[in-house]
Amino acid sequence: DIQMTQSPSTLSASVGDRVTITCRASQSISSWLAWYQQKPGKAPKLLIYKASSLESGVPSRFSGSGSGTEFTLTISSLQPDDFATYYCQQCNSYSWTFGQGTKVEIK
Amino acid sequence: QVRLVESGGGLVKPGESLRLSCAASGFTFSDYYMSWIRQAPGKGLEFISYISKSSTYTNYIDSVKGRFTISRDNAKNSLYLQMNSLRAEDTAIYYCARDGQRSPEWVDPWGQGTLVIVSS
Repeated sequence: DIQMTQSPSTLSASVGDRVTITCRASQSISSWLAWYQQKPGKAPKLLIYKASSLESGVPSRFSGSGSGTEFTLTISSLQPDDFATYYCQQCNSYSWTFGQGTKVEIK
Repeated sequence: QVRLVESGGGLVKPGESLRLSCAASGFTFSDYYMSWIRQAPGKGLEFISYISKSSTYTNYIDSVKGRFTISRDNAKNSLYLQMNSLRAEDTAIYYCARDGQRSPEWVDPWGQGTLVIVSS
């Protein structure tokens, strides 16, 4: 199975900060990567698919990049609504897997 | 709008069975792969299983193979997960999610989840 490793596990930031989360795959997954946001008590929400495509309705401050084994999710200017846990997911293999999550906390 | 509603969760003892259901609306159900994903309390997300549009293909994570069975009824716009021989480590919120149209890929949207607790 393809393993996904996110870093950092926790990130403390302030409103207005530029935030970057990294996701590394144990083998190449081309651009078959998605990013999700999950708030406490809620289901995850799709933000980015195919590494860099912004899901409809998602604010443009969110962006994704990368291919192969290294990917990043960037929030250009952190907003109060963005404090949440973020997960990457590979969908290259027929048994797709998630990263362990990155919690973005208020500094 | 696209909506997924899970049901069937609850408290069961180790070794018992449970059947989860997911009612879909707002889209052509038979045009999409569907998946189940779970989240243990305070933990991350774990893919469990997916099923192809016409039920031809299914896939499971190793830890549930032989115990869980995914199925769907396109006439009823419904997805199911039969869970047998439940273990304490199966305790989680179980989400159904709409998957891709040509293959399993990113999932969106997700249902609100149904909680399964396995405890004696």
